[in-house]
Amino acid sequence: SQQGEEDPQALSIQEGENATMNCSYKTSINNLQWYRQNSGRGLVHLILIRSNEREKHSGRLRVTLDTSKKSSSLLITASRAADTASYFCATDGSNTGKLIFGQGTTLQVKP
Amino acid sequence: GAVVSQHPSRVICKSGTSVKIECRSLDFQATTMFWYRQFPKQSLMLMATSNEGSKATYEQGVEKDKFLINHASLTLSTLTVTSAHPEDSSFYICSARVSGNPWEQFFGPGTRLTVL
Repeated sequence: SQQGEEDPQALSIQEGENATMNCSYKTSINNLQWYRQNSGRGLVHLILIRSNEREKHSGRLRVTLDTSKKSSSLLITASRAADTASYFCATDGSNTGKLIFGQGTTLQVKP
Repeated sequence: GAVVSQHPSRVICKSGTSVKIECRSLDFQATTMFWYRQFPKQSLMLMATSNEGSKATYEQGVEKDKFLINHASLTLSTLTVTSAHPEDSSFYICSARVSGNPWEQFFGPGTRLTVL
């Protein structure tokens, strides 16, 4: 069952703008990960944030985690047309590698 | 980075036939692989966990006799959709976890199954 909810479900922005996606989950976690999926393709791992971390950066990506609110956000700065994709958060609550995915946010970046 | 391949990438079959999908870790050993399915414009749903040399663990609601999983080696897991029906049409994605590292796993490119 899906435990993550993401909002917005769809986001359309202009190139150069920032994009923020949010993810909420229901159970306790060991880590939370963000993935990107281009249409009809596999998943690309973007970033992993552990439950004892609050913020993490990777290039133009910034992820925050608030375990008290059971939520995370992904910020993509200075977006590019190539960032157009679906973004999913996934939680791992048992260190078994079993990931529970959120519903995803479809991002469209217009050139 | 680690690479996971899936074969075939697309398959079209007639209702009632069985289809086998392969998932391979190309440059690392994976004691654990996972199988997901994804319906159009939806998220990924975990179907089962495949452990090398042992029986797969299926998620609730997934029929183990319908979706046969075999993990015969440290680099190969197969998913066989038996007696496929149109409602089995979906995008099937595998992932492989690096042995000894619970945090990191790599996803295959997916297999698009269409059952006529």
